[in-house]
Amino acid sequence: QSVLTQPPSVSAAPGQKVTISCSGSSSNIGSNYVSWYQQLPGTAPKLLIYDSYKRPSGIPDRFSGSRSDTSATLGITGLQTGDEADYYCGTWDSSLSAVVFGGGTKLTVL
Amino acid sequence: EVQLVESGGGLVQPGGSLRLSCAASEVTVSNTYISWVRQAPGKGLEWVSLIYSGGSTYYADSVKGRFIISRDDSRNTLYLQMNSLRPEDTAVYYCARDGRSSGWFGYFDYWGQGTLVTVSS
Repeated sequence: QSVLTQPPSVSAAPGQKVTISCSGSSSNIGSNYVSWYQQLPGTAPKLLIYDSYKRPSGIPDRFSGSRSDTSATLGITGLQTGDEADYYCGTWDSSLSAVVFGGGTKLTVL
Repeated sequence: EVQLVESGGGLVQPGGSLRLSCAASEVTVSNTYISWVRQAPGKGLEWVSLIYSGGSTYYADSVKGRFIISRDDSRNTLYLQMNSLRPEDTAVYYCARDGRSSGWFGYFDYWGQGTLVTVSS
């Protein structure tokens, strides 16, 4: 059981937009920045979003992040088949003194 | 560019021990925060342990008292000593660098390729 809650799967057609939610509590998302990671099959995770909404160099602006209260959202526009992957949110939990992740969301581009 | 290369994984019997290594380049391990994150087959990411630049360490409850994170500054290498291994410790183990390396935790901007640990009789 993950501390952060994500939907197990989402799907959308190529070119469309999808959002992935990440729900937590006041001790994690409510008081700390959120990061998002993309994991393609058989590869290590890759940083997509940090500090809740910032994109590292090289990440296209099709990817966006937001945070409100105790939830965070990853948005992906202009979906491509290459976006099919597992997506994870992560943050620090001040009560646990631990890094916590969501259970992951599998994105299918139909 | 920052590179993290894990090694030391393999097959070990329940109750056994294993030491993983994470060799870093283009980053000084003593000046940064580095974590171990694992992923069981077909499962999600699970944070395991973190060492701060100042040397403080933190562990997930699932490994506390069994795993020890450390580093050798002269070798610029991070270690994870894993003792009393259980079948549920079977996973790919990644080392990952904290891109902010200040405060409690920032984000993981560089990851190694991972090393597989299998605990089975």
